[in-house]
This record gives sequence, C-alpha cells and structure tokens, in this order.
Amino acid sequence: KAGVTQTPRYLIKTRGQQVTLSCSPISGHRSVSWYQQTPGQGLQFLFEYFSETQRNKGNFPGRFSGRQFSNSRSEMNVSTLELGDSALYLCASSTGTGGSYNEQFFGPGTRLTVL
Amino acid sequence: TQLLEQSPQFLSIQEGENLTVYCNSSSVFSSLQWYRQEPGEGPVLLVTVVTGGEVKKLKRLTFQFGDARKDSSLHITAAQPGDTGLYLCARGNKLVFGAGTILRVKS
Repeated sequence: KAGVTQTPRYLIKTRGQQVTLSCSPISGHRSVSWYQQTPGQGLQFLFEYFSETQRNKGNFPGRFSGRQFSNSRSEMNVSTLELGDSALYLCASSTGTGGSYNEQFFGPGTRLTVL
Repeated sequence: TQLLEQSPQFLSIQEGENLTVYCNSSSVFSSLQWYRQEPGEGPVLLVTVVTGGEVKKLKRLTFQFGDARKDSSLHITAAQPGDTGLYLCARGNKLVFGAGTILRVKS
C-alpha cells in the first residue's frame, strides 16, 4: 500500500507570494490533516478535511486555507507569504472514523522557505 | 488547550545505554500516540495506548500509559544509533503534539 505523498518536497518563495501544496493520502483514507512544524513552535495543527469538508481547524490566520477533492487528495494554500511561514508542512491521512483513537500516517512533508 | 509536556528536551547517550522519555499532561486523555521523526521526514507512528496502566512493547521499546491516563513514558533498552531521532507524543483528533525529545545515540 503506497504511503502518503506530498508535492513538492521543497519550495522557495518570496514574501507576498502565495503557494499551494499538495497531498495524496493512503488509498481508502478519507481524512487529511495538515500541520506546520517549526523549530520554535514544534508541530501545530492547521486543519483537517474529511469527505471534502473541513472538520477541524487550528489557530492559524485566514491566509492558510485548504480543500479536499472527491478522491480525498488535498491541497493547502498560503497567501501573502511572510518570513515566519517558513516551515516543514506535513500532511497526514487517516480513515477519519476512529474518533479520538485516530491513527494518522504522515507524509514526508514540504519544506517551504520564504525569502 | 490541553498541553503535553515532554522531558527531557534533549538526550545524548552512548550505544547500549537505557533511557526513558516522558510525556505529561494536567488533563486526562482517552488515548495517546508516540511517534518518531527522522530529519527531513514526517513522523512515523510507533504505538497508540488507550487503557490506563497499559504497557506495550515494540522490540526494545516499552510504552506505558499512566493509570490516571495523564502521563506516558517510553523506555528504550540498549539504545542503538538507529534509534536517533525526535520522539513525539500526541493526543486527540486534532493531534496536539508535545515539543518532543531529541535523542542522539552515539556509537
């Protein structure tokens, strides 16, 4: 079974630009969650999509948005990039039906650098 | 926000030594997960503990969930260089992660 894939793996942008990251979950998984990882803040939850609907949301500004397609693939978009958005962005997939017992499987991440 | 506190933040040991890392919270949680992350990669799930007092073993790794389900520990026996990485505990649907323990095992 193929794992979670994320594209691109590395990205360099400049302040003010926008960026779109892509995630393909494990086959059969309907939930996709996005996380931001930085040395200072650690791993922080951005949002979760389940069956094309945002089900949970973290405490990030509206510049961060996402969507999920009917095949469960997901994209996240960051507009008006700031230097502080430089981070590893991780996507995780799960069946989405396990309640609090929700085993998530992570992709390798997209390393975003904002100059 | 139900925070998870991990300790120690950093651990550097020699191959063959034993170690324990801890994950604590002031709140009860229904389940807790342990992940290991290597540089440039995403976290990999090691185990999920659900029942208070539960002990799970994964080769040289032993995971324990506190009786009150507020704390957990990960014990590694005879650490090897391949155990090097960031160990993270996490809880909840919107996975709340601890800050992690960076483990370095020197050969």
